[in-house]
Amino acid sequence: AQSVTQLGSHVSVSEGALVLLRCNYSSSVPPYLFWYVQYPNQGLQLLLKYTTGATLVKGINGFEAEFKKSETSFHLTKPSAHMSDAAEYFCAVSDPDEKLTFGTGTRLTIIP
Amino acid sequence: EAGVVQSPRYKIIEKKQPVAFWCNPISGHNTLYWYRQNLGQGPELLIRYENEEAVDDSQLPKDRFSAERLKGVDSTLKIQPAELGDSAVYLCASSPWQGGYEQYFGPGTRLTVT
Repeated sequence: AQSVTQLGSHVSVSEGALVLLRCNYSSSVPPYLFWYVQYPNQGLQLLLKYTTGATLVKGINGFEAEFKKSETSFHLTKPSAHMSDAAEYFCAVSDPDEKLTFGTGTRLTIIP
Repeated sequence: EAGVVQSPRYKIIEKKQPVAFWCNPISGHNTLYWYRQNLGQGPELLIRYENEEAVDDSQLPKDRFSAERLKGVDSTLKIQPAELGDSAVYLCASSPWQGGYEQYFGPGTRLTVT
């Protein structure tokens, strides 16, 4: 069975500072990994995904994530936080039956 | 290109009442998903359709929940009767091919059961 653990339900960073949101996964097969963002009262929007190939994946809005098989991690980073980045972020893993399993989410707050 | 459309956006009902949610996926997307998102949690899959066929409904509480996707386009999710624990956001998503590799989500319906 697939599972996702997001460390830190709430993360606060200052505007302009590095954003680091942590995600660890459990999978019995090579995983497909995703990061989604959810703004208040909206649905989820895909930020980036890892399927195969390059382990450093670039997404929208300046975000990127690195797949590290040895650490079973897929942490999300952004070099410089912007006020508009305040949202809820979900890491997800897809199993061989193409079912997405989501983590519990991390709420990112940007401090002016 | 229009996104996934859901209605209503908000619904407040009393327990034991029925409720229905409607979803119109992105044009051409064969796969449609219904998720439930409880407060402070990630979405959990309720049912997945490939065209008209429900290919995964293992997480759908079939005693009170039902879903249909007539003609392989729009879909309706129904709860009858609703319970207090059904309060959640119900999300619809679609994808352009078989697979969960890239799902496009609607804004959701926030259900409050009193």
